[in-house]
Amino acid sequence: DSGVTQTPKHLITATGQRVTLRCSPRSGDLSVYWYQQSLDQGLQFLIQYYNGEERAKGNILERFSAQQFPDLHSELNLSSLELGDSALYFCASSATPGATEAFFGQGTRLTVV
Amino acid sequence: ELKVEQNPLFLSMQEGKNYTIYCNYSTTSDRLYWYRQDPGKSLESLFVLLSNGAVKQEGRLMASLDTKARLSTLHITAAVHDLSATYFCAVDTRSSNSGYALNFGKGTSLLVTP
Repeated sequence: DSGVTQTPKHLITATGQRVTLRCSPRSGDLSVYWYQQSLDQGLQFLIQYYNGEERAKGNILERFSAQQFPDLHSELNLSSLELGDSALYFCASSATPGATEAFFGQGTRLTVV
Repeated sequence: ELKVEQNPLFLSMQEGKNYTIYCNYSTTSDRLYWYRQDPGKSLESLFVLLSNGAVKQEGRLMASLDTKARLSTLHITAAVHDLSATYFCAVDTRSSNSGYALNFGKGTSLLVTP
């Protein structure tokens, strides 16, 4: 158990809908990262937050947004969902933005039908 | 654009054999990561290589880094079935806002057979 908690574990929703994925980082970690893993694109970095502030942005679609709250948990919001958004979404956390060790959660498997 | 290329992408090997997975990357970076992923599971950190010439070993796995050649290798010695998994290498990049991102290769799916 990495200490990073993601909910829900599985999510099935219809095209056009909006969902929110939640991540609680390890105790003491201030930085949160979101990654998407799909068969087509592999593992892709989406976005990073540190202590509530966005620090790095990857190939995140405009339909997707994220934030990190004062209690350090983070949410990834996916809207106007398309079939191609079906993927495993991972959250990872680290103590600082450049820490050499990031710990990954178990992921949320999103299926868009 | 940073590219991280692994090869092979698929590897079937017999128990007891040795093999090497290669990871090439296209930009200067001193930090190279290896992760293991079992089907449908999370990513488990195996090694973090922080400097040129770094070598780390854990059990039957040994990783090395050559930053001049932009190459890392993951060597498997005397493979056993429990090593069957997908192995990813990753290189991190720094953003202008002091953020970091891991850039992953496509992964090597390893199957160890009796």
